[in-house]
Amino acid sequence: QVQLQQWGAGLLKPSETLSLTCDVYGGSFRDYYWSWFRQPPGKGLEWIGEISHSGNTNYNPSLKSRVTISVDTSKAQFSLRLSSVTAADTAVYICARESGSSDSRGAFDIWGPGTMVSVSS
Amino acid sequence: DIVMTQTPLSSSVTLGQPASISCRSSQSLVHSNGNMYLSWFQQRPGLPPRLLIYKVSNRFSGVPDRFSGSGAGTDFTLKISRVEAEDVGVYYCMQATGFPRTFGQGTKVEIE
Repeated sequence: QVQLQQWGAGLLKPSETLSLTCDVYGGSFRDYYWSWFRQPPGKGLEWIGEISHSGNTNYNPSLKSRVTISVDTSKAQFSLRLSSVTAADTAVYICARESGSSDSRGAFDIWGPGTMVSVSS
Repeated sequence: DIVMTQTPLSSSVTLGQPASISCRSSQSLVHSNGNMYLSWFQQRPGLPPRLLIYKVSNRFSGVPDRFSGSGAGTDFTLKISRVEAEDVGVYYCMQATGFPRTFGQGTKVEIE
C-alpha cells in the first residue's frame, strides 16, 4: 500500500521560505509524477507544480517565481520550497501522486494527509 | 489558464435520489494526443481529495459504480445514481489537458 507522509514547518513569518517534504512509502517512484497542491482555509484547490522522477518540473505560473520542487530518488521523497511567503500563502499544502502514463494524466490517486502552513507576523 | 466552472455550487439531495454536477471548461479539453483529461475528486471535511473519475469517464479502482462521468469538449458531468450518506462532501472537477492544472470551484453535496 503506497503512502505519502509529509513533514515541514507549519508556522512562518512573512518573507520566510516555506519548506515541505513528502516521503513516498511503497510502490515505484519512477513511474509517476509528483505534485504539490494547496487549499486555503474554506476555499478550493490550487495546483502548485509537479516533478518527475528524473527532475522535470512544471509550475503554476502564478507561483513560478517563488516555487522550487525537487526530488531525491535515493530517499523516495520530493520537496516544495516557496519563498517570500505572505499571509496569502496560508493554506493546507498537500502532496500527491499522479500516474505517469499519458493515458492517465490527471489521475491523482494517492494523496498525503496535508500540512497546515500559517503565515503570521 | 483553462478556467473550470462548476454548477451548482451546492446541492441538497434526498437519500437514494440521483445527483448531477456540471463542469464547463473555458476551452476544449481535447489534448493534442486526442485524449480528454478531466478528473473528478471528492473531498470530505478534514481529508485530502479522493480520486473518483479520470479521463472523463474512467472510474478509479474501488469507486462505487453509482458514480459515473461523461462529457466531451468543454462540457462534463458527474452523476451519482443513488446518493448515499457517505457521499456528503465537496466535489471538484479538474483539467489535466493543459498547464497549470486547474480546478472548478467545488460543489458541496448535502443530504436533505
